[in-house]
Amino acid sequence: SQTIHQWPATLVQPVGSPLSLECTVEGTSNPNLYWYRQAAGRGLQLLFYSVGIGQISSEVPQNLSASRPQDRQFILSSKKLLLSDSGFYLCAWSSGTGYYNEQFFGPGTRLTVL
Amino acid sequence: GIQVEQSPPDLILQEGANSTLRCNFSDSVNNLQWFHQNPWGQLINLFYIPSGTKQNGRLSATTVATERYSLLYISSSQTTDSGVYFCAVEDRTGGFKTIFGAGTRLFVKA
Repeated sequence: SQTIHQWPATLVQPVGSPLSLECTVEGTSNPNLYWYRQAAGRGLQLLFYSVGIGQISSEVPQNLSASRPQDRQFILSSKKLLLSDSGFYLCAWSSGTGYYNEQFFGPGTRLTVL
Repeated sequence: GIQVEQSPPDLILQEGANSTLRCNFSDSVNNLQWFHQNPWGQLINLFYIPSGTKQNGRLSATTVATERYSLLYISSSQTTDSGVYFCAVEDRTGGFKTIFGAGTRLFVKA
């Protein structure tokens, strides 16, 4: 069966520091991968999605970037964090085959920028 | 882009009560999912339902794609049903763009 991992689970970082969040998927190949952010008490906002290695689509201009160095690895990064980057970051995957595109989410990373 | 509206925004139920949550979307969509976000933040898949009706235990869902809405029914609610329920749709014109509604926050009282 497929599983999705995210780490770290929680993170407290100072303003201006770099960021690297990692997401890996097991039990599937060539998945679509997604990064979402959820502000406190709000819905989820799609940040990036990827349909293959090195293929990244950005949905919202911001202080963040994403990379996909391997088929089942998705990384969210920032060179300098802002206070507004605080939130709950969720990674998701879908099968990416044809029309069927059910998404499954990882446990998330809670980021606090101070 | 597609707009997704969920109602009601908040709902308080007595344990054992039934409820209906609604999701309206403004344009044709590829896919539609319902999720439950538990108090720890985990998003749990409830239904993948671009059209038709599905049931899973006390939960059921119906999507009428031609009328651009979906309903989630919770019967005999339990305290463990508390949390936030999200509807998410995939934009038919946007590749794999997924748009979430703002959610319905449900609290079930014992």
